[in-house]
Amino acid sequence: SAVISQKPSRDICQRGTSLTIQCQVDSQVTMMFWYRQQPGQSLTLIATANQGSEATYESGFVIDKFPISRPNLTFSTLTVSNLSPEDSSIYLCSVGGFSSGNTIYFGEGSWLTVV
Amino acid sequence: QQQVKQSPQSLIVQKGGIPIINCAYENTAFDYFPWYQQFPGKGPALLIAIRPDVSEKKEGRFTISFNKSAKQFSLHIMDSQPGDSATYFCAARNSGNTPLVFGKGTRLSVIA
Repeated sequence: SAVISQKPSRDICQRGTSLTIQCQVDSQVTMMFWYRQQPGQSLTLIATANQGSEATYESGFVIDKFPISRPNLTFSTLTVSNLSPEDSSIYLCSVGGFSSGNTIYFGEGSWLTVV
Repeated sequence: QQQVKQSPQSLIVQKGGIPIINCAYENTAFDYFPWYQQFPGKGPALLIAIRPDVSEKKEGRFTISFNKSAKQFSLHIMDSQPGDSATYFCAARNSGNTPLVFGKGTRLSVIA
């Protein structure tokens, strides 16, 4: 299995500011994804973080609001820009693609509250 | 369009009971079906997963039953314990570098 470290684990931010979330994996992975989980809800895919190229965004999510970087096979960042209270959610990094095949693992999440 | 439909939304069982959570999918290209367990304040943790070439998989007290023709799969928790109280998510994905699609989750409460 993979050890996934997400930072920050929790933050309170002012509206209009931005927050950058880091995801560090202890081994090289093929797949890295970012999900959002709103309070009491399921996980919604924001984007696939592609190494060395632009992320692939799902419908309803745009690069200007959620810029993503993935400079190598073990690290990615998600920025949530121009924060509003509606952005208060858990943001989860997800990885997979090891020799273990289909298994997808999740970090502990970054809890964002926008005030 | 929701690709994975999960039911029930919530479930309360007595300790020792066998809660059953059901999921149905639409995309016949899905070939990997995991279940995740999430406790409050934690990220989802992989519980058990199945491929469509088998009809059942058991790991400890957790069993997945899979019905390919009906495009349904379910999670059974044997001898449930209060520590099993959590939210359970079913998911599915295609092979290759594709993300998981999640059901809406089931909040399970096991009461002593």
